[in-house]
Amino acid sequence: GAVVSQHPSRVICKSGTSVKIECRSLDFQATTMFWYRQFPKQSLMLMATSNEGSKATYEQGVEKDKFLINHASLTLSTLTVTSAHPEDSSFYICSAAGSSGSPGRTDTQYFGPGTRLTVL
Amino acid sequence: RKEVEQDPGPFNVPEGATVAFNCTYSNSASQSFFWYRQDCRKEPKLLMSVYSSGNEDGRFTAQLNRASQYISLLIRDSKLSDSATYLCVVSLNDYKLSFGAGTTVTVRA
Repeated sequence: GAVVSQHPSRVICKSGTSVKIECRSLDFQATTMFWYRQFPKQSLMLMATSNEGSKATYEQGVEKDKFLINHASLTLSTLTVTSAHPEDSSFYICSAAGSSGSPGRTDTQYFGPGTRLTVL
Repeated sequence: RKEVEQDPGPFNVPEGATVAFNCTYSNSASQSFFWYRQDCRKEPKLLMSVYSSGNEDGRFTAQLNRASQYISLLIRDSKLSDSATYLCVVSLNDYKLSFGAGTTVTVRA
């Protein structure tokens, strides 16, 4: 149990285009999902916290108009990188926190497999 | 100052050896502590939580020193499959996690 999927796993796009990444909790309801970014040889950096049905909370320095987050249901959150530029190339990882009654522990985040974005 | 700091390594050890490394955290109000494992170009996976009394899971032993604000991980009888980057993770509350940059361990045959 407690499986999180991400799609796509890899995307290459031209500068100026927008890219949408989906994060799904497959066998549990996730009231909270998180979006991280990881540059090579660096730590995961939390970008935003997403609660179902409400606006995402962005970390300092993360542009909310550039990284659009939608958490429309208890099993799906999306991150859209708008007008992507080469400096946005990174490994984007989502995680989902289990809720009471779900297969996973409520104090544990379950990570998706990540999306590697390359902007040319 | 980074919230979580780790020695990046790499620690290169032969199979069967013991390897240990620490991480330090800056916020004394941190409540939860974890070690995650991340393989190359993959997502992090929870290895173990770290409790104040110290805890062991098979060949892995984690210790927490709140006074000095550091966490340690010890791996006994290293296997080739233990080669990975180990992420020290600290949380102020249940959900918001702060990650270290990781310590790379390479176990050689």
